[in-house]
Amino acid sequence: DSGVTQTPKHLITATGQRVTLRCSPRSGDLSVYWYQQSLDQGLQFLIQYYNGEERAKGNILERFSAQQFPDLHSELNLSSLELGDSALYFCASSVTGLTDTQYFGPGTRLTVL
Amino acid sequence: EDQVTQSPEALRLQEGESSSLNCSYTVSGLRGLFWYRQDPGKGPEFLFTLYSAGEEKEKERLKATLTKKESFLHITAPKPEDSATYLCAVLNTGNQFYFGTGTSLTVIP
Repeated sequence: DSGVTQTPKHLITATGQRVTLRCSPRSGDLSVYWYQQSLDQGLQFLIQYYNGEERAKGNILERFSAQQFPDLHSELNLSSLELGDSALYFCASSVTGLTDTQYFGPGTRLTVL
Repeated sequence: EDQVTQSPEALRLQEGESSSLNCSYTVSGLRGLFWYRQDPGKGPEFLFTLYSAGEEKEKERLKATLTKKESFLHITAPKPEDSATYLCAVLNTGNQFYFGTGTSLTVIP
């Protein structure tokens, strides 16, 4: 158990819908990262937040957005969902910055029908 | 464009048969190279971070090395519990992470 929690574990929805994925980092970690893992593209970095502020941005689509709240939990919002958005979404946390050890959560499996 | 290539895609070893996994990378400026282990249906588990060419790190049966173009993950006398997918990732000076597609390792008793 990494100490990072993600909810829900599974999510099934339809094209065009909007969903919110939630992540609670390990106690004491200030950075949160979001990743997408699909069969055809592997693991892709989406975005990093540090203490409530966006710090690094990867291949995150404009339909996706994230935020980190004052209690340090984070949410990833996915809108206008497409079939290709079906994937495992992982959250990770670290104490501070990008070169720190990242601890990954168990993931949320999103299925878009 | 920065990229990471891992080889082989899959590797089957007998228990005790040592081998190496390769991670070749092209990056504009390297801030760090990371190795992770991922079990099916679970999140990646951190193994090592390497920062500069010539650096080596060890943990139990695993040893990671880094050159200017590639990294190797050496597995000495593997056990069945070492079976997993091993992922390599690089962080560039633009603060972007790039992951390889992984090597699926199976260790047969």
